[in-house]
Amino acid sequence: DAGITQSPRYKITETGRQVTLMCHQTWSHSYMFWYRQDLGHGLRLIYYSAAADITDKGEVPDGYVVSRSKTENFPLTLESATRSQTSVYFCASTSSGNTDTQYFGPGTRLTVL
Amino acid sequence: DQQVKQNSPSLSVQEGRISILNCDYTNSMFDYFLWYKKYPAEGPTFLISISSIKDKNEDGRFTVFLNKSAKHLSLHIVPSQPGDSAVYFCAASDGSGGGADGLTFGKGTHLIIQP
Repeated sequence: DAGITQSPRYKITETGRQVTLMCHQTWSHSYMFWYRQDLGHGLRLIYYSAAADITDKGEVPDGYVVSRSKTENFPLTLESATRSQTSVYFCASTSSGNTDTQYFGPGTRLTVL
Repeated sequence: DQQVKQNSPSLSVQEGRISILNCDYTNSMFDYFLWYKKYPAEGPTFLISISSIKDKNEDGRFTVFLNKSAKHLSLHIVPSQPGDSAVYFCAASDGSGGGADGLTFGKGTHLIIQP
């Protein structure tokens, strides 16, 4: 299906474990983003990528790692999950020709016990 | 320091009436503003946007107004329908990276349309 997908949709893990959230888009958009949504904070930018092999930190990058070896994929890894990383994670993408209107995936709800 | 503020966590409006959602910003470098709508268990979906060179943009039942001097924008929904019940996020971009460095979001307003 065309669009932007995220997997898994729901994940429960334990403190200290490594977790990878996947994001895949079929539009060949250059730009991709990871946000987290928490009560009282709205959506906050974790990392973004302007193209394959180009990534940069957003507002709240600590504890997260990203990679972008292919244009269509932008995985987010929590190297050692903490309870404060319990959140809903959204991936988004946009084309270089319309870089302000971002299109979001359905989200991954992550619970760290 | 929150750069995009939505001071009303929730708003209840009767079906058929006008819904007005407000947003204030502090960063004078913001030059593009967007509204996103979000249903539970779904990602935000783009609704409408406005560039800082305009003061109004309309799309069907949705109109966004921008007052740059007051650093304020509002989203008007007329007439309000039950399907409009959702959380609405105001977002802004400073355009320095062409938006490629992400959007700054407000905390959202939960709009409830009463039958």
